[in-house]
Amino acid sequence: EPEVTQTPSHQVTQMGQEVILRCVPISNHLYFYWYRQILGQKVEFLVSFYNNEISEKSEIFDDQFSVERPDGSNFTLKIRSTKLEDSAMYFCASSEGERGGQTQYFGPGTRLLVL
Amino acid sequence: QKEVEQNSGPLSVPEGAIASLNCTYSDRGSQSFFWYRQYSGKSPELIMSIYSNGDKEDGRFTAQLNKASQYVSLLIRDSQPSDSATYLCAVRRGTYKYIFGTGTRLKVLA
Repeated sequence: EPEVTQTPSHQVTQMGQEVILRCVPISNHLYFYWYRQILGQKVEFLVSFYNNEISEKSEIFDDQFSVERPDGSNFTLKIRSTKLEDSAMYFCASSEGERGGQTQYFGPGTRLLVL
Repeated sequence: QKEVEQNSGPLSVPEGAIASLNCTYSDRGSQSFFWYRQYSGKSPELIMSIYSNGDKEDGRFTAQLNKASQYVSLLIRDSQPSDSATYLCAVRRGTYKYIFGTGTRLKVLA
């Protein structure tokens, strides 16, 4: 069964450093998403991406964050100048879109720890 | 008012019982609703989606939607200890923005 994959599974970085989190969405899906979940808190929407541009973004998704689809398979989240409060689990998700359905399928997540 | 509200629990039910999980949402224009299950340290796993008023059944799970009351629920029949997890309600708002509730922690007691 097709699945969303994410790398790395864990990332430890120093405050102020840049990190890139990688995702490979399900191959026939057209919509891609990033979410954040701080330990013990709810899953928070960051951004959705379609047709090589951002569809929607939340208030959290400020200039510190950027997304990119550098090739036909990868979808990345870049976090610049990381802060302690960026420590969280980051989930990538993908969906087919309107015709195929709106259901999102989540990857296993990347646990980011900022020291 | 929170966009998607759930009772955090824990909700404890004995094995074999029906677990009832509830969710309310604030945006009356919301059209799509989802229930996910999340085990500790894992990613959300889709259980069901529902788009129309009424009930939708899938195996032991039944989702119920009442748009007039802005209410969606999930019933789990014949609850098993393996159902013990946090259940997340998610609502699609706008074109492709999904808002999650804080989740209800379910404990099924053997």
